[in-house]
Amino acid sequence: QSALTQPASVSGSPGQSITISCTGTSSDVGSYNLVSWYQQHPGKAPKLMIYEVSKRPSGVSNRFSGSKSGNTASLTISGLQAEDEADYYCCSYAGSSTVFGGGTKLTVL
Amino acid sequence: EVQLVESGGGLVKPGGSLRLSCAASGFTFSSYSMNWVRQAPGKGLEWVSSISSSSSYIYYADSVKGRFTISRDNAKNSLYLQMNSLRAEDTAVYYCARDSHQYSSGWDFDYWGQGTLVTVSS
Repeated sequence: QSALTQPASVSGSPGQSITISCTGTSSDVGSYNLVSWYQQHPGKAPKLMIYEVSKRPSGVSNRFSGSKSGNTASLTISGLQAEDEADYYCCSYAGSSTVFGGGTKLTVL
Repeated sequence: EVQLVESGGGLVKPGGSLRLSCAASGFTFSSYSMNWVRQAPGKGLEWVSSISSSSSYIYYADSVKGRFTISRDNAKNSLYLQMNSLRAEDTAVYYCARDSHQYSSGWDFDYWGQGTLVTVSS
């Protein structure tokens, strides 16, 4: 149950696109299409943004998209907005457990 | 409106016990798997435990296995986490979270409570 690997921080200017990577192993990300992404603003509970690699829950902007290749999943945010500034966590099923990434702080410049 | 409200957090000495509760409303509680996820101060999220809708399947993170017990009471729309042999490293905000899939486990969490803080310190 080792944590998935995410970059500690990423940044972008309003209107730009950014991508956050999430690297796991063949025991988690590489074996299951059960990768999800969460957005967390300071002092708030996490919010589900992407599930099953690329599906968006109702109400989540289509500026958010997810993908996976091998053992690495990715979250792309297009048309960056100030309110996107937050911490982002990936999560993957790992066989009778689930594991989160260490989190990525997104700064909108 | 789906609501999850945790309670039971507080300050406890190392080796002590605490029982967290999560009161659910606004959905058919008995149809969903439920989870506990924690977040140490200034740190990332860590999955703690999962229980299926009928309590048939229960899973724990290695870090809490043998010390924590998850349970639920579908008649009371409530989820619980009994925490024993607490350690300093268990200090965290504990969130109750609903699995997004009805009648099965998708291992993703669409609704979260506001969290309850557990502090383990002498």
